[in-house]
This record gives sequence, C-alpha cells and structure tokens, in this order.
Amino acid sequence: GAGVSQSPSNKVTEKGKDVELRCDPISGHTALYWYRQRLGQGLEFLIYFQGNSAPDKSGLPSDRFSAERTGESVSTLTIQRTQQEDSAVYLCASSPGASYNSPLHFGNGTRLTVT
Amino acid sequence: ILNVEQSPQSLHVQEGDSTNFTCSFPSSNFYALHWYRWETAKSPEALFVMTLNGDEKKKGRISATLNTKEGYSYLYIKGSQPEDSATYLCGAGGTSYGKLTFGQGTILTVHP
Repeated sequence: GAGVSQSPSNKVTEKGKDVELRCDPISGHTALYWYRQRLGQGLEFLIYFQGNSAPDKSGLPSDRFSAERTGESVSTLTIQRTQQEDSAVYLCASSPGASYNSPLHFGNGTRLTVT
Repeated sequence: ILNVEQSPQSLHVQEGDSTNFTCSFPSSNFYALHWYRWETAKSPEALFVMTLNGDEKKKGRISATLNTKEGYSYLYIKGSQPEDSATYLCGAGGTSYGKLTFGQGTILTVHP
C-alpha cells in the first residue's frame, strides 16, 4: 500500500523566505511526527500529533516554526523567515498508535537548503 | 526529554564479520525502544520495537536485546553483508506519551 509521502523532495530557498513542507501520512494512522536531521547530527524531534489531542510542540526550535494537521490527514510544517541553520532533511513519520507498540513509518524526507 | 546515546558513531567491518552496537537511555524514564535502519537515499525502516526488560527480537541475521533496568539495548548483526551498510538508529520513548527521542546513529560500512 501507499507509504508516507512528503513534498517537495528538495527545496532551495533564499534566507528570509517562508517555506511550507507537506506530509501525507498512511491512511488510518493517528500519530504523526516531524523530525529533522542537520548535517552531522542525529534525528531531532520537532512536533508530534496524536489523534485529536493537543500536539506536542516541545521540539520546535523557535517561533518561526509551526505545524498543522487537519484531523488524521495531511500535515504541513511551515518555517517563516528561513535561516541558514534551518538547512536540514525534514522527515515526517506516521504510526497507527502510540510508540510503545507501533513502529514509525517514515517518508523519504524533504531536503531544505537555505542559501 | 530522554538523552539517548549510541556507540560507536561509525564502524567498518569486513563481509562475514559479526558486529554489535549499543544504545543507552535513562532507565528511570522509559517505556519503548525502537531500532531503525536508514540506508542512503531511502527512508528509515523499522527493525524492532521493544518494551519489556529482557526482550529479545530477531529478524533474519539481525537481533536485538533490551535491558530496561540498566538502560541499554544491543543490536547484533551476524555475518555482515555489504547490503547491511546503513545508519542504525535507536529511539527511546519516555513518559511523554508517544514521543521518541533518537540517538545520533551508528554508521555501519561492510566492505566486500
């Protein structure tokens, strides 16, 4: 079946511009995560959505970052006034339930380059 | 927030060698441990999800163990093959419902 889909796969933007990244989770998956990996670093948690509960935004690095999810469908991650340190691979993942018994299904990521 | 550490950072082995890596996490704040394999130009793929102390899981030549009391998990690869070359990630879940914190990963290179 269809996996997690992310778009665009690559994005080059100028410093100061806004960008929007999209994630289509697997149908029926209630949990959705955004992570990023900057060059030479590990996976950094950004935000977590679980069903209709309030999202866990504790990983968002600044108020320039925001994310939305409509119900249990598409999510968008928006970065305003991009900075060079925002350059990273942004990964989205979904799972059918809580992480204590459900593996994450990752998309192929969006590689963001801020020039 | 859990502090998850993996070692070694990178590893080079010859085809046929067996190898293992470590993931450590705070034992006082734990409910799930995940292992993923991340090959270049692909998305991370789930290997194992473990929750109980003493859990052992196996998938082909790859296996993993979990010790929640001392806060570590081992991933073993028996008879490494070049196609095993990848970054191996572990993620631990603590009391924050659902959120996984990942380590830096172990980069494995298997030389033919």
